[in-house]
Amino acid sequence: GENVEQHPSTLSVQEGDSAVIKCTYSDSASNYFPWYKQELGKRPQLIIDIRSNVGEKKDQRIAVTLNKTAKHFSLHITETQPEDSAVYFCAASIRFHQAGTALIFGKGTTLSVSS
Amino acid sequence: DGGITQSPKYLFRKEGQNVTLSCEQNLNHDAMYWYRQDPGQGLRLIYYSQIVNDFQKGDIAEGYSVSREKKESFPLTVTSAQKNPTAFYLCASSTFMDFNNEQFFGPGTRLTVL
Repeated sequence: GENVEQHPSTLSVQEGDSAVIKCTYSDSASNYFPWYKQELGKRPQLIIDIRSNVGEKKDQRIAVTLNKTAKHFSLHITETQPEDSAVYFCAASIRFHQAGTALIFGKGTTLSVSS
Repeated sequence: DGGITQSPKYLFRKEGQNVTLSCEQNLNHDAMYWYRQDPGQGLRLIYYSQIVNDFQKGDIAEGYSVSREKKESFPLTVTSAQKNPTAFYLCASSTFMDFNNEQFFGPGTRLTVL
């Protein structure tokens, strides 16, 4: 079946450094790529997303890049802060059956930002 | 964060019992989803429903069942056939637009088998 691979599984950085998380997907028809942040014991929340007609998107300290040819996309966090510490999930849209779409998630990256 | 509720927050099940997890949304979303989350495994899709009275199996549907009788409700039943049900269960919903699949998650139900 279709899948999304995410790396690294854990990432430790010093406050102020940048963090990069990478994902690859298998379904060439995927056209929507969100990133979710999940703090311990809480629900995942969307932090940024990108669609297949865009190569890069930025929102303050967070940016996402997409390479459709290579089927990979990345999350970039600059000037990291301790409150960025969480688990981050990438996802890619897939089409189920004749109609309807769903998301396939990567296994997550635990980001730890130390001050 | 509002708009999707799940109950109960914690649920304990004895082996051999069926249990039902509730998911309700007031966002007027057409699509609803159930995910299972285990440590180190990310979110795995159990079932999803794009419209009322229709639902499809995801990657790990065995041992689970759902219904979608109302647009705002999508309950999940964990049956005794599910051999390892201890996990964190997340419900989500989204508008049924092919190019916009942003999913909003509920707070989750943590199920433990005693």
